[in-house]
Amino acid sequence: QKEVEQNSGPLSVPEGAIASLNCTYSDRGSQSFFWYRQYSGKSPELIMFIYSNGDKEDGRFTAQLNKASQYVSLLIRDSQPSDSATYLCAVPSGGGADGLTFGKGTHLIIQP
Amino acid sequence: DAGVTQSPTHLIKTRGQQVTLRCSPISGHKSVSWYQQVLGQGPQFIFQYYEKEERGRGNFPDRFSARQFPNYSSELNVNALLLGDSALYLCASSLGWGNNEQFFGPGTRLTVL
Repeated sequence: QKEVEQNSGPLSVPEGAIASLNCTYSDRGSQSFFWYRQYSGKSPELIMFIYSNGDKEDGRFTAQLNKASQYVSLLIRDSQPSDSATYLCAVPSGGGADGLTFGKGTHLIIQP
Repeated sequence: DAGVTQSPTHLIKTRGQQVTLRCSPISGHKSVSWYQQVLGQGPQFIFQYYEKEERGRGNFPDRFSARQFPNYSSELNVNALLLGDSALYLCASSLGWGNNEQFFGPGTRLTVL
C-alpha cells in the first residue's frame, strides 16, 4: 500500500521568507504528485501538481521532485499570512483507480 | 462556472442509522471520488466512479457504498453508522479516467452520536 509521509508541524515562517514543505513517498513508481492547501474548516484546494519529468513553478509556488530520494517539495516564496494553512501532499493510489493517497499534512504558520 | 457541490452541509445521526450524501461534479467532469477526512488526518480514499461504474475502492467496510447517475452526480451511502464514522466526507471530481487532477467540494460534516 502506498504511503505518503509529511511532518505535521507546525512550521513557523516569518512573513516574506521562503516556506519549504516536504513529503516522502513509498512507491518508487509514482509518476505524479499533488499539493493541496486546506484552510481550517474548509476543503482541500489543488494548488500545484507535477509529473515525474520535472519541476514546476507557478507564481510564488515551486514544486520540486527528487526521485532518487523519493521526496517532493513545495516552496512558497514571499510568504504571506494568508498562506497559513495545512498543506497536503498526495500521490495516485494506483491499483487501477484514480484515487489519491494523502499524507497527514503540514500545518504552516506565517508570522506577520 | 460552478464548482463541485455537496449536500447536506452538516448532518447529525445516531449509531445504527443510515445516511446518504450527495455530490454534483464540475460541469464536464465525468469522474467522482469520495474521501473521508477525520480531524488531524489527510483525506482517505473511499470510492471512485467513472461513467457510472466503480473504478476503485479504498480500505473501507461494506457498510459504505456509492453510485453514480447518468448526469455524473453521485451518492455515498453509509449503513449501520458507528461513532468512528464521524468525519468530513469530501467529494472530488475530475475530467475523466487517468486524470488525477481532482477538485474537491466543500464537504459534508457527519456527526454520529
